[in-house]
Amino acid sequence: IAGITQAPTSQILAAGRRMTLRCTQDMRHNAMYWYRQDLGLGLRLIHYSNTAGTTGKGEVPDGYSVSRANTDDFPLTLASAVPSQTSVYFCASSDGQNSDTQYFGPGTRLTVL
Amino acid sequence: GQNIDQPTEMTATEGAIVQINCTYQTSGFNGLFWYQQHAGEAPTFLSYNVLDGLEEKGRFSSFLSRSKGYSYLLLKELQMKDSASYLCAVRDQEYQLIWGAGTKLIIKP
Repeated sequence: IAGITQAPTSQILAAGRRMTLRCTQDMRHNAMYWYRQDLGLGLRLIHYSNTAGTTGKGEVPDGYSVSRANTDDFPLTLASAVPSQTSVYFCASSDGQNSDTQYFGPGTRLTVL
Repeated sequence: GQNIDQPTEMTATEGAIVQINCTYQTSGFNGLFWYQQHAGEAPTFLSYNVLDGLEEKGRFSSFLSRSKGYSYLLLKELQMKDSASYLCAVRDQEYQLIWGAGTKLIIKP
């Protein structure tokens, strides 16, 4: 693994189903983030984690949950998917250096029907 | 509320120079980022400004004026591979990134 990986790459999901998007990083970054990106809108923060064992809510947390059991993994769960959760989901981590730059995974394209 | 404004789309010619502007109104300021995003791909980091002035990195430069709430990304010697969306993001007082909707840059031969 090099950097951040996400799985699956894409998924079509029936409304009401539960879905977990996976994110793993091997850079030993403390902070990790989940964003959604919708056409015409900027990236919107769903949840974040500053360090293993802690999580926080972002701008659009409703309908999503996260956990951070260790440094490397930060899964995002949709408990009961709805069509408005159709989006591209990006996981990111930040290096904690002076700029604390965020680095992104390749994304998961999710369609909820 | 917090707001990041940048043009939706710009067109430029291969070999030319283009300037992409970003204005922001945020609760506090702890740095401004520019990212490049090719269609269907993840955003990739381009530049970071926290002090006023110009930061140059090869063909790309980024400028910041904190008093005006303004930044620009300058791309020189444009190449076809520079066709992408360019995202401006500001870190606010809560240390979270607030993102603009992005500027789609179209390069014509």
